[in-house]
Amino acid sequence: DQQVKQNSPSLSVQEGRISILNCDYTNSMFDYFLWYKKYPAEGPTFLISISSIKDKNEDGRFTVFLNKSAKHLSLHIVPSQPGDSAVYFCAASDLNSGYALNFGKGTSLLVTP
Amino acid sequence: DTGVSQNPRHKITKRGQNVTFRCDPISEHNRLYWYRQTLGQGPEFLTYFQNEAQLEKSRLLSDRFSAERPKGSFSTLEIQRTEQGDSAMYLCASSSGNGILNYGYTFGSGTRLTVV
Repeated sequence: DQQVKQNSPSLSVQEGRISILNCDYTNSMFDYFLWYKKYPAEGPTFLISISSIKDKNEDGRFTVFLNKSAKHLSLHIVPSQPGDSAVYFCAASDLNSGYALNFGKGTSLLVTP
Repeated sequence: DTGVSQNPRHKITKRGQNVTFRCDPISEHNRLYWYRQTLGQGPEFLTYFQNEAQLEKSRLLSDRFSAERPKGSFSTLEIQRTEQGDSAMYLCASSSGNGILNYGYTFGSGTRLTVV
């Protein structure tokens, strides 16, 4: 069963605009959430994370928002750049699993000039 | 240290053969994870080690899959009697216990297995 869902397989955004990638989860035990970026033929690269005690975390152009009551998180990229074009994976974990990550299927982001 | 290293990058094997993949984690990382990724899916957790102890292996896909980390450094993932459904990208990741919240996990580039 898919405990982490990314319902948008793809997203296209113009350079300079905001990209918003969404993620939903079903397991209320998840207490740690991450976003990864992946280019073809490479492993996923860590972008940003948030623990369940927070509702927002920022790192430069990247901000992750967590809404625990809705079991929803989102990644905002502002401003979007062509180099941001990649597949973005949302992942979630809980302490009891040893921090093993449960991934969504990914959203392919294309930033056009 | 240049990150997590996986070998080989590509492996083509005939159905029924055994294959073994190697992962060298970042040297100071005590946790090591194996994932599998198939086309159109996110990485799927298989197993993980803390130092040399394998703390979770119930999510290995079948008893044909096994993993070791004999000295708490590098790890191997073996698939016996390969089947065409085993064709996938096999990813290794490592982390330090204290660094997870800030730095996540560091993934290798993966080993792409094709079973013909």
